[in-house]
Amino acid sequence: GESVGLHLPTLSVQEGDNSIINCAYSNSASDYFIWYKQESGKGPQFIIDIRSNMDKRQGQRVTVLLNKTVKHLSLQIAATQPGDSAVYFCAERGYNKLIFGAGTRLAVHP
Amino acid sequence: DTEVTQTPKHLVMGMTNKKSLKCEQHMGHRAMYWYKQKAKKPPELMFVYSYEKLSINESVPSRFSPECPNSSLLNLHLHALQPEDSALYLCASGGGRVSGYTFGSGTRLTVV
Repeated sequence: GESVGLHLPTLSVQEGDNSIINCAYSNSASDYFIWYKQESGKGPQFIIDIRSNMDKRQGQRVTVLLNKTVKHLSLQIAATQPGDSAVYFCAERGYNKLIFGAGTRLAVHP
Repeated sequence: DTEVTQTPKHLVMGMTNKKSLKCEQHMGHRAMYWYKQKAKKPPELMFVYSYEKLSINESVPSRFSPECPNSSLLNLHLHALQPEDSALYLCASGGGRVSGYTFGSGTRLTVV
């Protein structure tokens, strides 16, 4: 079946460094991907999305890269801040539903 | 601030109780969703409503009963739950295939 997974369950970074969170997916037919941030006690918050006809998309301090050859997705956060500490999920959107990856916890240290 | 509102934020119920979770959105989205999230796990899809009709039921036990009274409201009726049903229940809405999903803050449910 379809699956979306993450390589690292926990990522610790120093404040000001860049963070890279990775995600692998197995369905080569997936055509749309979303990154969500979830803070403790809150619902998932949309960060950025990318369609399969794109390789890269940039937002404010965030960049998503898509490598369809190896079915890999990454989220880059520039100049990581304490407020970036959260769990990050990649999600593959199929027909009318989202499939979430396992999640990566990002811990930002001063 | 979230554009999807869920109530209550916290709920404690006994295994013989009947309770309901409520979700409301005013973004004009035509699809609404219920997800269940256990601690340290990703959200898992339970139900999908599209144009107020149930389109997906991910083999959810009948003790969970969804209802979509109109395009802005989504309820989840709970009856005879088990302690293992304790989780964060998330509601989401979406505008269609070309848009993302907006999640509410969830209802933290504890079954005792």
